[in-house]
Amino acid sequence: DGGITQSPKYLFRKEGQNVTLSCEQNLNHDAMYWYRQDPGQGLRLIYYSQIVNDFQKGDIAEGYSVSREKKESFPLTVTSAQKNPTAFYLCASSTGQGYYQETQYFGPGTRLLVL
Amino acid sequence: GNSVTQMEGPVTLSEEAFLTINCTYTATGYPSLFWYVQYPGEGLQLLLKATKADDKGSNKGFEATYRKETTSFHLEKGSVQVSDSAVYFCALSDTGGYQKVTFGTGTKLQVIP
Repeated sequence: DGGITQSPKYLFRKEGQNVTLSCEQNLNHDAMYWYRQDPGQGLRLIYYSQIVNDFQKGDIAEGYSVSREKKESFPLTVTSAQKNPTAFYLCASSTGQGYYQETQYFGPGTRLLVL
Repeated sequence: GNSVTQMEGPVTLSEEAFLTINCTYTATGYPSLFWYVQYPGEGLQLLLKATKADDKGSNKGFEATYRKETTSFHLEKGSVQVSDSAVYFCALSDTGGYQKVTFGTGTKLQVIP
């Protein structure tokens, strides 16, 4: 079955600690995205990548970093600079052909909590 | 810039009731419009979409029509079930290069038996 996996399901961060959220897809999609979901605010784009070894900042990139070394993987690091990291994080992918009709496919999400 | 406005929830309905969730948008070009659904504790999944004016998207008994004159894409279902309880997101994807999707804030639907 093709799809997107995210791990872990729950993640706890201590003050001053960097944590990394995993996102893997086997859909052979070129484009991948990271969103942050907060209650009542919908989804906000953190970073996106249209191709391996290239990524762009989204609307709320401060305090986050990403890498895209492999087509199927797009890990997100929440750094200590992100002062309010508690949220639900969603990874998504699309074919990346540049068509605006594209559907985005989402993973099950990771809930990050601060200790 | 682009924006999507959805009716605030939660919406509580009895089983078999008629559902409407309003969605209006602002966009600079000719966007595609989407409805995504999120079940508790899960990611989003596409429910339906429409790519041009007057198109109707439909899936699992849900429908939405792309109305350019009123910049709307309201979601409807004739008879809801308990299993439809979820959060529904309206979204748009505008033309021109990279596919950036703008999401609404979501509307929570609770269907009671």
